[in-house]
Amino acid sequence: GQNIDQPTEMTATEGAIVQINCTYQTSGFNGLFWYQQHAGEAPTFLSYNVLDGLEEKGRFSSFLSRSKGYSYLLLKELQMKDSASYLCAVKDSNYQLIWGAGTKLIIKP
Amino acid sequence: GAVVSQHPSRVICKSGTSVKIECRSLDFQATTMFWYRQFPKQSLMLMATSNEGSKATYEQGVEKDKFLINHASLTLSTLTVTSAHPEDSSFYICSATGQGETEAFFGQGTRLTVV
Repeated sequence: GQNIDQPTEMTATEGAIVQINCTYQTSGFNGLFWYQQHAGEAPTFLSYNVLDGLEEKGRFSSFLSRSKGYSYLLLKELQMKDSASYLCAVKDSNYQLIWGAGTKLIIKP
Repeated sequence: GAVVSQHPSRVICKSGTSVKIECRSLDFQATTMFWYRQFPKQSLMLMATSNEGSKATYEQGVEKDKFLINHASLTLSTLTVTSAHPEDSSFYICSATGQGETEAFFGQGTRLTVV
């Protein structure tokens, strides 16, 4: 079966750095996405990785290793507004998005 | 980025009635639309995939006669929850992708409460 694992919840301090990991086992791979979702709202796109390596976009960076079935989302200079759920999703061989359960990130002052 | 508009954002209906949710792509042609359901503290669960002009493909366990999906044009898809029950109360989200797009664009979501 297809499976995406990420931690259920993480806590970090305002101004610090946090890394959210995601491991996946899917039938085929056509890219990995990270989305941010605030409670009661639709997900918003953060990043897309299809090749190995690090993609940096402002305070957020995303890393992919296809051979290890592993990705992480790195958030720097954390702000209170970064408190949200972070969803990892993989596009499989049928170009369907397979979603992880999400990591709830709690930012403390 | 592209814009997907979903309406209504919130709806309360009586048990046994039907509710229609609209999903529109405003500035691109959505060749494929996806309908998701999300229960509190759970992941997005794909309900069905629809391609313009053809019947939707439903995921296992999703009743196609209960959740009617119509994708009549390249900019509009609708989800109708028929004979709604309290257990259908959930957050419903649509997303759309155009031909060649890598990213799926999401609507704002619809909070359905069946009383």
